[in-house]
Amino acid sequence: EAGVTQSPTHLIKTRGQQATLRCSPISGHTSVYWYQQALGLGLQFLLWYDEGEERNRGNFPPRFSGRQFPNYSSELNVNALELEDSALYLCASRLGGRHSPLHFGNGTRLTVT
Amino acid sequence: GQQLNQSPQSMFIQEGEDVSMNCTSSSIFNTWLWYKQDPGEGPVLLIALYKAGELTSNGRLTAQFGITRKDSFLNISASIPSDVGIYFCAGLMMDSNYQLIWGAGTKLIIKP
Repeated sequence: EAGVTQSPTHLIKTRGQQATLRCSPISGHTSVYWYQQALGLGLQFLLWYDEGEERNRGNFPPRFSGRQFPNYSSELNVNALELEDSALYLCASRLGGRHSPLHFGNGTRLTVT
Repeated sequence: GQQLNQSPQSMFIQEGEDVSMNCTSSSIFNTWLWYKQDPGEGPVLLIALYKAGELTSNGRLTAQFGITRKDSFLNISASIPSDVGIYFCAGLMMDSNYQLIWGAGTKLIIKP
């Protein structure tokens, strides 16, 4: 069974541009979570999608947005990129139910110059 | 946002040593998870705990769900070089719609 896949693995953008990151969850998983991990730091919750709806978002500005498609894959968009947006962006998926933990992809390394 | 208190922040270990790390909170949790992250990769689930007092092993790893529901411990016995990495705890509060609270991580480094 394939795990969570993310693309691209690396992305280099300049300040002010837009970035689009993609995530395919494990087959059968309906919930997708996005996290930001700045270098050497912990995981900061960005967005949660379930059944195509945004269920919750973390303390990030509106230029961070996303969506979930009918096949449960997801896209994270970051507009008006700033230097401090440089980070590893991790996607995770899970089934429903309390005993279903998050399973992570290997992330997209976004570098803003 | 809210975070768990994870300690130590980093550890220098020699091969063969036992390792202990823990996470504490002032809040009550009903799930504790332990993940490991290798450089350039996403976190991988090591152990999941769902019941106060529960003690669960995964090979050389053992984790416990504290009886007060406010803490959890991870022990690694007889460490080997591939144990290096960052270990994260994550907790789930009751009725939280699966919004995990994360520790800041414990970085394991092998002594040269």
